Amino acid sequence: GAGVSQSPRYKVAKRGQDVALRCDPISGHVSLFWYQQALGQGPEFLTYFQNEAQLDKSGLPSDRFFAERPEGSVSTLKIQRTQQEDSAVYLCASSQGWRSENTIYFGEGSWLTVV
Amino acid sequence: GENVEQHPSTLSVQEGDSAVIKCTYSDSASNYFPWYKQELGKRPQLIIDIRSNVGEKKDQRIAVTLNKTAKHFSLHITETQPEDSAVYFCAASTSGGSYIPTFGRGTSLIVHP
Repeated sequence: GAGVSQSPRYKVAKRGQDVALRCDPISGHVSLFWYQQALGQGPEFLTYFQNEAQLDKSGLPSDRFFAERPEGSVSTLKIQRTQQEDSAVYLCASSQGWRSENTIYFGEGSWLTVV
Repeated sequence: GENVEQHPSTLSVQEGDSAVIKCTYSDSASNYFPWYKQELGKRPQLIIDIRSNVGEKKDQRIAVTLNKTAKHFSLHITETQPEDSAVYFCAASTSGGSYIPTFGRGTSLIVHP
């Protein structure tokens, strides 16, 4: 596709349910980022992949959050035992290289509501 | 780690006026500063960026300035139009080490026709 694709776009989960959010980066992009965006806030970093290697997961808020990118392309963010505070938009982004000035392209996000 | 502060949180202007959004950063090693525009329910999109070896960059009605000594950078929009209404985010990142962009909290710009 032409851009970063995320699914599902909208997810309502009951508290305690596990969810999986998928990201299809732009083809050939080496770097992949996950951000969490609460309502009215800026994107907050969660984790970063360079190809299949997860180089930074310092932003993951708890061990309930897990991300993977096993073949260096599609990535999945998994949240176990969801809590209400997990309600947010989860943004995936990718860039061609790994330099700071490589443009980062965002997906439209997965809107998670935990009830 | 890097900390980016952004002001104001909300900015309301009349069509045709100028709008200025300011950001400060904490890490003197940061050397790349992109600005993103996010319309309601849409993805953030890059509108302009500046590197640390440049003090100012302009693209039509949008300009960005950078003061490395003071560690602040600003977005200037001239002749604002209603379609400029959106949330604008600044970010800072560093080449070498962790180059993951750190974002400000956003400015909601409202342009009244």
